[in-house]
Amino acid sequence: GEDVEQSLFLSVREGDSSVINCTYTDSSSTYLYWYKQEPGAGLQLLTYIFSNMDMKQDQRLTVLLNKKDKHLSLRIADTQTGDSAIYFCAESKGGSYIPTFGRGTSLIVHP
Amino acid sequence: GAGVSQSPSNKVTEKGKDVELRCDPISGHTALYWYRQSLGQGLEFLIYFQGNSAPDKSGLPSDRFSAERTGGSVSTLTIQRTQQEDSAVYLCASSTPRGRAFFGQGTRLTVV
Repeated sequence: GEDVEQSLFLSVREGDSSVINCTYTDSSSTYLYWYKQEPGAGLQLLTYIFSNMDMKQDQRLTVLLNKKDKHLSLRIADTQTGDSAIYFCAESKGGSYIPTFGRGTSLIVHP
Repeated sequence: GAGVSQSPSNKVTEKGKDVELRCDPISGHTALYWYRQSLGQGLEFLIYFQGNSAPDKSGLPSDRFSAERTGGSVSTLTIQRTQQEDSAVYLCASSTPRGRAFFGQGTRLTVV
C-alpha cells in the first residue's frame, strides 16, 4: 500500500465541522503536516505536529495524532466555503526530512 | 525573498524539446525539493538538495530529467526531449535543515 493514505473526497455543509483523516506507515516519522491546495495554486502549509505530541490546536484547526495507530486527523471547525480545497497529509523523518505526501482529500463545502 | 518563487508559471512546449524550470527558494533555506503533480494525482518526489549537493535523486523518473543547484540557492530542473507524459505541475519547496517545507506556486508544463 501507499506510505500515506487519505480518503479522496469529503463533503460537508457550511458551518459544520470537517474531519479529514490520514494514516501513515512509518513509525519513525518525525513531523506530520497538513497542506492546503486551492485550485491552480501551490501548497500552503496549514499546520504541523511533532511526533511526540498528540494534539495541536490553531484557531479553527485541530490536529490529532494517534502514534500507536499511525493515524492523523485534521478537524476544521465552522467550515466555510473558502475552506473548499484539496488537503494533503504528509510525513517526514530524520535525516533528509523529505516530506512524503498522501494523494489528497478534496473537501467540498456546500451551503 | 518572501516565499519560494518558481518560473515560468506556465510553459507550453513541443514534444522533443528541452525545458528548464527555475526555483528560487526562501533566503537561508538550505534544503530544496522538487515534486511533480500530475492531474488528479498526489505529489511525486523527484529530487532533494541539501546545499548544492543532491543526496537523494531517487525520484527522477528517467535520465531525461536532471537538476542542479548553484550557490546553495537557485535550482534548475531540466527535462530533455520532453514527452507528453511529462505534462504536469512541477512544484518546488524549500526548508531549513530540519524545518517545515514551504512550496512555490508551481510551473504548469504542457507538452503538445
